[in-house]
Amino acid sequence: GENVEQHPSTLSVQEGDSAVIKCTYSDSASNYFPWYKQELGKRPQLIIDIRSNVGEKKDQRIAVTLNKTAKHFSLHITETQPEDSAVYFCAASNYGQNFVFGPGTRLSVLP
Amino acid sequence: DGGITQSPKYLFRKEGQNVTLSCEQNLNHDAMYWYRQDPGQGLRLIYYSQIVNDFQKGDIAEGYSVSREKKESFPLTVTSAQKNPTAFYLCASSRTPGTSAYNEQFFGPGTRLTVL
Repeated sequence: GENVEQHPSTLSVQEGDSAVIKCTYSDSASNYFPWYKQELGKRPQLIIDIRSNVGEKKDQRIAVTLNKTAKHFSLHITETQPEDSAVYFCAASNYGQNFVFGPGTRLSVLP
Repeated sequence: DGGITQSPKYLFRKEGQNVTLSCEQNLNHDAMYWYRQDPGQGLRLIYYSQIVNDFQKGDIAEGYSVSREKKESFPLTVTSAQKNPTAFYLCASSRTPGTSAYNEQFFGPGTRLTVL
């Protein structure tokens, strides 16, 4: 079955700096890779996703890159702000089936 | 944040008791899921259902049971057989998983279960 690893488990950055979170997956059949943000005590919410037919997707300060050959994808947040502080989860799925989540990264943006 | 709801928000259970967590969605989604989240941990799949009257075990189904009698509802029962049930439980739903669509999961607000 699919296995998703995520690094780092915790990340602290200064406000205004960039943050990068990396995930690897094992199943070459996976073709959908969402990223979720979870604030303390709240539900995970989708912030960006990427399909396997593209290598990069950007939405304002957030971008995701995908390397299918190496089976890894990354979340990039630029110009970080305090409200970016949260736990971020990556996931891998095959057409929206059998989601497997990474263990999460706790991002702290320091003022 | 509407569309998928969970109740109650907080639940306290005595050891040896069964409790049922509610999950309802009005998004007309076929698929529904239950995850368990422990402090500082990721999401682990308990059960999922892709269609009414059918459900499948996830990675940590032991000590849990579910039913899917209606499309809108997917209740989770935490039985006394679950030895360490204290956790945050998240329900999610998505459109029909299939071979032609990439369907994100939408999460409910969660239920925090504490065993006393």
